[in-house]
Amino acid sequence: QLQLQESGPGLVKPSETLSLTCTVSGGSISSSSYYWGWIRQPPGKGLEWIGSMYYSGSAYYNLSLRSRLTISVDTSKNQFSLKLRSVTAADTAIYYCARHLYNDNWSNLNWFDPWGQGTLVTVSS
Amino acid sequence: DIQMTQSASSLSASVGDRVTITCRASQGISNSLAWYQQKPGKAPKLLLYAASRLESGVPSRFSGSGSGTDYTLTISSLQPEDFATYYCQQYYSTPETFGQGTKVEIK
Repeated sequence: QLQLQESGPGLVKPSETLSLTCTVSGGSISSSSYYWGWIRQPPGKGLEWIGSMYYSGSAYYNLSLRSRLTISVDTSKNQFSLKLRSVTAADTAIYYCARHLYNDNWSNLNWFDPWGQGTLVTVSS
Repeated sequence: DIQMTQSASSLSASVGDRVTITCRASQGISNSLAWYQQKPGKAPKLLLYAASRLESGVPSRFSGSGSGTDYTLTISSLQPEDFATYYCQQYYSTPETFGQGTKVEIK
């Protein structure tokens, strides 16, 4: 059974870089037809897709965050990572990693399943 | 970006009730819609995809329908474990976007 687990600091100072890692177990991150994505949820609010990456390095990003964002994949560790630069209080959220289905026939991303349990990142001095 | 609007931010219902949650897209999304259930402190869980296809292991009391811009999630007989927040998500175009959520509360 595929499982994902986020890890990283729970507190980041304003203007610094938020860094998170997602470790995938029970399956290979190099599987075809799957991207690996990040989604965030500000406390008490809705869900926002951040970006997703294929094991080869091909990526899709939410343009609203693109200028501050780096997503990478480490196939040797079965992990993928998120770096969000120049954070502000507006970046405070629960950050989830998830497997993101890719439809080869239509060349588009689909739904997210499964999800990691999520990790709360607070931006505060 | 495609905006997803869930008509109710919350609703109250009793065990055994039939519950319908609606989701409207700002443009047609050709059934490229998923529904998730989220319980407090937990990650969202996939319930349905392609608007009406039930994810493996999800109880059959959950169903989905719709076309074009308007979609619904129906719980045929609400169970105690169904009290949660439900989100729709379109994947017709990137960026994938979510509705704001509908919280199903105990009446």
